Amino acid sequence: QLQLQESGPGLMKPSETLSLTCTVSGGSMSRSSYYWGWIRQPPGKGLEWIGSIHYSGDTYYNPSLKSRLTVSVVTSKNQFSLSLTSVTAADTAVYYCAGVPFRYFNLWGPGILVTVSS
Amino acid sequence: DIQMTQSPSSLSASIGDRVTITCRASQNIDSYLNWYQQKPGKAPELLIYVASSLQSGVPLRFRGGGSGPDFTLTITSLQPEDFATYYCQQSYSTPWTFGQGTKVAIK
Repeated sequence: QLQLQESGPGLMKPSETLSLTCTVSGGSMSRSSYYWGWIRQPPGKGLEWIGSIHYSGDTYYNPSLKSRLTVSVVTSKNQFSLSLTSVTAADTAVYYCAGVPFRYFNLWGPGILVTVSS
Repeated sequence: DIQMTQSPSSLSASIGDRVTITCRASQNIDSYLNWYQQKPGKAPELLIYVASSLQSGVPLRFRGGGSGPDFTLTITSLQPEDFATYYCQQSYSTPWTFGQGTKVAIK
């Protein structure tokens, strides 16, 4: 059974670049029907889709973040990652990695809280 | 972007009650509507996909319905473990967007 686990920094300063990694365990992430995504949730607020990627490298980004966002995949490590540049306090959130069908998310990591503060 | 509006934002109900949550899209999304349950401090869990398909392992008391712009999530007999926040998500076109959530609390 596939499982996801996020990793990365918990505290960042404004203007830094956020880098998060999601490790997929329990099976290969390289199946044709699998898409992998990032969703975030500011404290006490709702869910925001960030972007999704297929193991082939096909990516879909939220236009509201596209200018600062890169989502990539390293199939040899069974990992995919998120890079978000020039973070501000507004990027403070719990970040979830998720998958697997393209249009919805039936697999989620536990989430990682990222706080942006000077 | 397609806007998703849930109602109510919160509700109080008793064990055994029938509860219905509504989700409205800002445009037609056919049946591309999914529902998630989130408990405090936990990741969301998929309940229903493509409007009415029950995710494996989800109890039969959860029912999804609707199409086009208007959808419902019904819990036919509320159980203690159902007190949580529920989100709808459209998957008709990217960017995927979520409703603001409906918190179901104990009366």
